Amino acid sequence: EPEVTQTPSHQVTQMGQEVILRCVPISNHLYFYWYRQILGQKVEFLVSFYNNEISEKSEIFDDQFSVERPDGSNFTLKIRSTKLEDSAMYFCASSQGNTDTQYFGPGTRLTVL
Amino acid sequence: DAKTTQPTSMDCAEGRAANLPCNHSTISGNEYVYWYRQIHSQGPQYIIHGLKNNETNEMASLIITEDRKSSTLILPHATLRDTAVYYCIVRAYLNTGTASKLTFGTGTRLQVTL
Repeated sequence: EPEVTQTPSHQVTQMGQEVILRCVPISNHLYFYWYRQILGQKVEFLVSFYNNEISEKSEIFDDQFSVERPDGSNFTLKIRSTKLEDSAMYFCASSQGNTDTQYFGPGTRLTVL
Repeated sequence: DAKTTQPTSMDCAEGRAANLPCNHSTISGNEYVYWYRQIHSQGPQYIIHGLKNNETNEMASLIITEDRKSSTLILPHATLRDTAVYYCIVRAYLNTGTASKLTFGTGTRLQVTL
């Protein structure tokens, strides 16, 4: 069964450093999402992406964040200058259509020191 | 999207049916009810969704009341591996082409015991 994959599973970085989280969505899916979950808190929407542009973004998704689909298979989330409060699990999801079921990857645990 | 209300936690004995309720009294006509679960800190796992008819798949059944103001997720024979946080999410179907995000609440923590 096709699944969303994410790498790395755990990323440790120093405050102020740039990180890139990678996702490979399900192959025939056209809509891509990033969510995050700070330890002990809710899963929060960050951004959705379709047709090579951002479809919607939340207030959390400020200028420090960017997303890209650099090739036909990867979908990336970049955090330009990480802060301590960026420490969280980051989940990628994809769906075939804009209102179809979203399937989530296993997540990347980002730890900012 | 309409707000949902779920109990904070529930227990269920292994082998018994787990019935997880959800209230969504402000749901509107173009909104579906979705259920996801999250085992420990893994990615949310899709379970089932429905609009107004009851639905069943290999994982669970979804019962939606006639007025659509509440629903129940049923795991027919709960196992220890079903211990997780279960999220009931109401999601609008948009015909604008805009991706429709999921808004997670705090969910119900289901503990399946021996």
